[in-house]
Amino acid sequence: DQQVKQNSPSLSVQEGRISILNCDYTNSMFDYFLWYKKYPAEGPTFLISISSIKDKNEDGRFTVFLNKSAKHLSLHIVPSQPGDSAVYFCAASRTNSGYALNFGKGTSLLVTP
Amino acid sequence: NAGVMQNPRHLVRRRGQEARLRCSPMKGHSHVYWYRQLPEEGLKFMVYLQKENIIDESGMPKERFSAEFPKEGPSILRIQQVVRGDSAAYFCASSDPLGKENGELFFGEGSRLTVL
Repeated sequence: DQQVKQNSPSLSVQEGRISILNCDYTNSMFDYFLWYKKYPAEGPTFLISISSIKDKNEDGRFTVFLNKSAKHLSLHIVPSQPGDSAVYFCAASRTNSGYALNFGKGTSLLVTP
Repeated sequence: NAGVMQNPRHLVRRRGQEARLRCSPMKGHSHVYWYRQLPEEGLKFMVYLQKENIIDESGMPKERFSAEFPKEGPSILRIQQVVRGDSAAYFCASSDPLGKENGELFFGEGSRLTVL
């Protein structure tokens, strides 16, 4: 039962443009959301997170937006750089079991020069 | 290297054999988590351990899988009598108590198990 869904397996964006990665979830009990970035043959690395009490969180070029009513979140990368090319995983959890992250299947982002 | 260390990076086993995967958490971290990534899937939580304690094993298959985090040494994920469906990447993560609450887990590079 996939409770976190990333419906776009891949995305290609030109360098300097905005990358928008989308994520939907089905479990209304989730109250903490994260994005992880993964390069081939490496483990995921934490990128940015957002609590359900917020609708936006910004960290440099990365911004995460949360729409609780739609059970949807998105990651914006502006401007995109070739080094951003990686697989991006959306994850969600409940605060009282924040370690049990529910991951989506990932979106492979390719940023072309 | 102060990161999460996993070994072996690659492991090949024949059906029916045992697989042992090891994980040393980041320095200063006392919480360890195991996740499994099947081909074309996202990572799935398996088990959460602290030293000498299993805190939550709700994601572990009921049979053939076990995990431990002894007082001394690395955490071990053990899979007995492996089957082809066990072929996956197994990721270990660690956190300190505060990181756990924020969901900021630090992942190792993974151990890729192939069952022939």
